[in-house]
Amino acid sequence: QKEVEQNSGPLSVPEGAIASLNCTYSDRGSQSFFWYRQYSGKSPELIMFIYSNGDKEDGRFTAQLNKASQYVSLLIRDSQPSDSATYLCAVNASPNTGFQKLVFGTGTRLLVSP
Amino acid sequence: DGGITQSPKYLFRKEGQNVTLSCEQNLNHDAMYWYRQDPGQGLRLIYYSQIVNDFQKGDIAEGYSVSREKKESFPLTVTSAQKNPTAFYLCASSSPPGTEQYFGPGTRLTVT
Repeated sequence: QKEVEQNSGPLSVPEGAIASLNCTYSDRGSQSFFWYRQYSGKSPELIMFIYSNGDKEDGRFTAQLNKASQYVSLLIRDSQPSDSATYLCAVNASPNTGFQKLVFGTGTRLLVSP
Repeated sequence: DGGITQSPKYLFRKEGQNVTLSCEQNLNHDAMYWYRQDPGQGLRLIYYSQIVNDFQKGDIAEGYSVSREKKESFPLTVTSAQKNPTAFYLCASSSPPGTEQYFGPGTRLTVT
């Protein structure tokens, strides 16, 4: 059973701080990784994806991937109260059947206080 | 505007009734997916379709059925055989299949 693990939180940070969200995965053959943001009662919104080891930056967001250690993280710089949401990590498992399914973690709830 | 639409936003049904949830996309995506989300749990895959007239069971397909007669449409039927149908249902699409998925706004189904 392929698994994606996230700390459920809540992770509380003050406004302006860096929020660091972490995710580990069990399938060493996983090839692509996604971060979704989900506000309460709403559907997930894709904010970042990363395929290669290292860092990928997009505005205030940085995704970090370490395949050897099987973890992926999301850094949010200059956190704003509007960033308060649940962040879902999703991993595209290794291709056994030619079709890659996303496996989702249960999410980390982030609270940014003014 | 390109996107994924799901209707209705809220749906209430009596136990024992079948209900069909609509999902339409105008993104020209090949693959479409149905997920279920329960409080405190991650998204669980119900069914997915890579091309028209073809679909496969996901991890929790029992009690559900789908069809894919058009590229744009992937309706989900929740049958009376589904033991715990109350949940938030999310439709997604991607192109090519297996890449980043984009979600519709979801349908919250309550069965009493």
